[in-house]
Amino acid sequence: DGGITQSPKYLFRKEGQNVTLSCEQNLNHDAMYWYRQDPGQGLRLIYYSQIVNDFQKGDIAEGYSVSREKKESFPLTVTSAQKNPTAFYLCASSPRTAPYGYTFGSGTRLTVV
Amino acid sequence: GENVEQHPSTLSVQEGDSAVIKCTYSDSASNYFPWYKQELGKGPQLIIDIRSNVGEKKDQRIAVTLNKTAKHFSLHITETQPEDSAVYFCAVQIQGAQKLVFGQGTRLTINP
Repeated sequence: DGGITQSPKYLFRKEGQNVTLSCEQNLNHDAMYWYRQDPGQGLRLIYYSQIVNDFQKGDIAEGYSVSREKKESFPLTVTSAQKNPTAFYLCASSPRTAPYGYTFGSGTRLTVV
Repeated sequence: GENVEQHPSTLSVQEGDSAVIKCTYSDSASNYFPWYKQELGKGPQLIIDIRSNVGEKKDQRIAVTLNKTAKHFSLHITETQPEDSAVYFCAVQIQGAQKLVFGQGTRLTINP
C-alpha cells in the first residue's frame, strides 16, 4: 500500500545535539512538507519542497534544515540553534498539480532531555 | 498572507447530537478547503474537502458548507458517535500556492 512513513516515532535529544527526522513516501507525490505541532497552536509550516533539489522556508524555519535529494525522501534536521525543539513533528506529501489534500505521516515526537 | 481562524477550540456534545465547527479565512483567492481529523498520537487524516466552485458536499454523516462571499466554511457532523472524538483542523489553500494554511484546531469530545 502507498503511504508516508516517519521514523523514529519517539526521539530524545540532548542539549546541543543535532538530530535528523526521517520522512519517506511511496505515493509518487512531488511536494513534501514538514510541520511542527505544539499544544493549542495548530500546525506550523517549517519547510516545504515542490520538486527534487529545491525547497522553501515556511513560517518557522529558524533552527531547522532540510534536503530533497530524492523524490521519495525529505529528511528534517533539528539543529542546536533551535532553542525549543520539544514538539510533535509531522511530515506530509501531496501531488504537485491542482489543489489536493495532504497525506500525513504518523509523526515523530521529539523531546529534549 | 492567508489567516485562518477556527472556532470553537473545544466542543463537547452528547452522543447522537450534531457538532458544527466553523473556519473563516482572509484571502478571497483561496480555492480549496479540506478538513482533517487527528486522533491522539497520530497524524491528521483528510476526512472531507470542498473546492471553491461548490457550496456544499456531504459524505455520510459528515458535510462541509462553503460561503465564499462571507469567507467562511463549516464542518457538520450528524448523529455523533464516540469514535468521532478527536481534534479537527480546517485548512485553506490559496490559488497558485502549493501549501495549506491550517486553523488552530478544535478538540471534539462526544459524551456517551
